Amino acid sequence: SAVISQKPSRDICQRGTSLTIQCQVDSQVTMMFWYRQQPGQSLTLIATANQGSEATYESGFVIDKFPISRPNLTFSTLTVSNMSPEDSSIYLCSVERGLAGGSDTQYFGPGTRLTVL
Amino acid sequence: QQPVQSPQAVILREGEDAVINCSSSKALYSVHWYRQKHGEAPVFLMILLKGGEQKGHDKISASFNEKKQQSSLYLTASQLSYSGTYFCGTDAGGTSYGKLTFGQGTILTVHP
Repeated sequence: SAVISQKPSRDICQRGTSLTIQCQVDSQVTMMFWYRQQPGQSLTLIATANQGSEATYESGFVIDKFPISRPNLTFSTLTVSNMSPEDSSIYLCSVERGLAGGSDTQYFGPGTRLTVL
Repeated sequence: QQPVQSPQAVILREGEDAVINCSSSKALYSVHWYRQKHGEAPVFLMILLKGGEQKGHDKISASFNEKKQQSSLYLTASQLSYSGTYFCGTDAGGTSYGKLTFGQGTILTVHP
């Protein structure tokens, strides 16, 4: 598995402002992912962040709104820019880890609960 | 495209069994099952790979039918700790390897 921490755990922000969420993992990983989970809903992939390359965004998500940094193999940030109430959600990072037998899966951080007023 | 889970919700008494299904419209490389309790992160349960079936821990197991693009999660002799929302995450492989698309979730409630 992996030990993953996120900061902040929760925040309340005013519309039009930006918030940067940090994700720290206890060991080096190649692939990190950022998800959004709206209340009572499923997880939606925002982007994939590999160290040393630009993040790859999923349909419906753009870099200007959700800029991502990946400065090293244990850390990543996601910024939610120019926030509106529709951005209120839980944001989770995950990391890809290998399993016995050669396959890979994802382990999730605890999430950041964001409320935009 | 998001896989479809059924049922949307299940209510059990301790000791009863349940099956949760996950169906995809795309060919799959693997299916990953997670359980999420309220206010917590999703916890990985097990992975089902194309060409194989893997049993998990406790009394939870799963199957993967590649031809039908379906996976099922089996919970036997349920315990109170099994309560939570179960998600399947599908990986189509190829250029999308490693990316998971999650179903809408199945809420499982186990009563004493």
